[in-house]
Amino acid sequence: QKEVEQNSGPLSVPEGAIASLNCTYSDRGSQSFFWYRQYSGKSPELIMFIYSNGDKEDGRFTAQLNKASQYVSLLIRDSQPSDSATYLCAVNLSGYSTLTFGKGTMLLVSP
Amino acid sequence: GAVVSQHPSWVICKSGTSVKIECRSLDFQATTMFWYRQFPKQSLMLMATSNEGSKATYEQGVEKDKFLINHASLTLSTLTVTSAHPEDSSFYICSVPQQGGLQPQHFGDGTRLSIL
Repeated sequence: QKEVEQNSGPLSVPEGAIASLNCTYSDRGSQSFFWYRQYSGKSPELIMFIYSNGDKEDGRFTAQLNKASQYVSLLIRDSQPSDSATYLCAVNLSGYSTLTFGKGTMLLVSP
Repeated sequence: GAVVSQHPSWVICKSGTSVKIECRSLDFQATTMFWYRQFPKQSLMLMATSNEGSKATYEQGVEKDKFLINHASLTLSTLTVTSAHPEDSSFYICSVPQQGGLQPQHFGDGTRLSIL
């Protein structure tokens, strides 16, 4: 079964630190990778997407993709308490037009 | 501003009631929309793909006669939970692919459904 795996956490970091969130996927043919942030009781909000191997930076966020190792990560620099949320990794598996989501990693940023 | 409008945001109703949820694409026409369901502390699970002008495509294990989907226009898809029961209580979320393509997706605010 094709899957997307994330550590459920919680991942606790102090304010100002770098938070590193990881995601692995089983389908080697996957093409598109997304990170969503979801606050409790709210719907997911797109943070970043990445298609190519390497790093993609947007403000305090950096997405990293390594297709050979089948993992994608999200780095959050200068973490803020407002970053505390569940971060969902989503993958467009090969042959499918829809997204498959991981269960999410809860991030807690303490003041 | 919001790209996707979902209504209502919260529904509480008795067992046996049918509930309709609307999903509107505000910024562009969408031939495809997606419906997800999320139980507490679980991830989003795709229920079905709504296709404008044709039948929806349901994921394995989702009862098409219970979860009726209508995509009558390029900006509106509706999900009707028929004869809802307590086990149908969940967070239902629609999404619209960006700019008419498939990826990435913008989500509506979700509908919290509670069946008593």
